Amino acid sequence: NAGVTQTPKFQVLKTGQSMTLQCAQDMNHNSMYWYRQDPGMGLRLIYYSASEGTTDKGEVPNGYNVSRLNKREFSLRLESAAPSQTSVYFCASSVVQGATYEQYFGPGTRLTVT
Amino acid sequence: GQQVMQIPQYQHVQEGEDFTTYCNSSTTLSNIQWYKQRPGGHPVFLIQLVKSGEVKKQKRLTFQFGEAKKNSSLHITATQTTDVGTYFCAGLRYNSGGGADGLTFGKGTHLIIQP
Repeated sequence: NAGVTQTPKFQVLKTGQSMTLQCAQDMNHNSMYWYRQDPGMGLRLIYYSASEGTTDKGEVPNGYNVSRLNKREFSLRLESAAPSQTSVYFCASSVVQGATYEQYFGPGTRLTVT
Repeated sequence: GQQVMQIPQYQHVQEGEDFTTYCNSSTTLSNIQWYKQRPGGHPVFLIQLVKSGEVKKQKRLTFQFGEAKKNSSLHITATQTTDVGTYFCAGLRYNSGGGADGLTFGKGTHLIIQP
């Protein structure tokens, strides 16, 4: 049982390049989330997916798109990377959206945009 | 929108001293969760508090939820080097439609322990 996995672990992009961050969970969770973590800012919600086939914007969605490919996988795409998107990105999942269920986090992707 | 504020941002303690971090919300919380993140790691769930005035203990960690459900605290007794990391509180985030989606995290308290 791997929990939540993310690829890649590290990535360096040039301004304007695009990339997709991959996330998968094997816990049969319905809800999945993407957060970014910046120094002194805590974790901020980018997008979430309450269930397979649905996605919604979070607190900081600009510059990102997501795809809930199936129940297991939830990807985050940067279409045209900007230095302001340099951050650590965490994917998380929970049994259901909100309510009283803990979130399980992946190991993170450390992205640098130059 | 909902804000969750956490203080202090940094706390230096000598090993064996106690540590407390405080969390305050601008709105009443339905529940509050606490997470720990080790340096270079990812957030790991510690506990959830749901009831007004609730107190829960995990070994040397004591978690409290305020009577008004707008504040919470985490207290560690006799810190050890294994307690190093950042402690986050988090409340349910509500979207513009009133539905709960992800979590709103406090900015965290970095616990630094000096041997």
